[in-house]
Amino acid sequence: SQTIHQWPATLVQPVGSPLSLECTVEGTSNPNLYWYRQAAGRGLQLLFYSVGIGQISSEVPQNLSASRPQDRQFILSSKKLLLSDSGFYLCAWSVGHEGEKLFFGSGTQLSVL
Amino acid sequence: ELKVEQNPLFLSMQEGKNYTIYCNYSTTSDRLYWYRQDPGKSLESLFVLLSNGAVKQEGRLMASLDTKARLSTLHITAAVHDLSATYFCAVDGYSGGGADGLTFGKGTHLIIQP
Repeated sequence: SQTIHQWPATLVQPVGSPLSLECTVEGTSNPNLYWYRQAAGRGLQLLFYSVGIGQISSEVPQNLSASRPQDRQFILSSKKLLLSDSGFYLCAWSVGHEGEKLFFGSGTQLSVL
Repeated sequence: ELKVEQNPLFLSMQEGKNYTIYCNYSTTSDRLYWYRQDPGKSLESLFVLLSNGAVKQEGRLMASLDTKARLSTLHITAAVHDLSATYFCAVDGYSGGGADGLTFGKGTHLIIQP
């Protein structure tokens, strides 16, 4: 069966520090991968998606970046965090069999202070 | 730009009552998803609705899709406390160009009181 791992679960970082969140998927090949952010009191905002190794599409301009160095690995990064980067970050995958049904990781709660 | 609107955004109801959450979206789509999120947790898939008139039921929850009206509903029957959570609808604006993800509503925060 397929599983998705996301870490860390909680992260507290000072403004201006770098960020690296990692997500890996097991049990499937060539998944579509996504990073979403959920700010307090708001819905989910799609940040990046990837349909293959090295292929990254960005949905919103920001100081975050994403990379997909391996088929089942998706990394969210920042060189310098802003206060506004605080939120709940969710990695997700899909294979398109049921439309774009997404399966979510457990999430990372990021607090930038 | 695809927009997804849910209402209400907040709902407090008593156990045993029935209620409906509404999800409207702004573009043609025949793929709609409902998710549940418990506080501090990730999203759990509830329903996948892939055609006009689709109706799915799981326990006390029933979801339906009317693609002509661009409306989906999530109906709660005889609510119980365990259903307290935030419910999101999401729409797939897929147009054949690739897997570009889902657009989510802001969520309906549901509290069911004994």
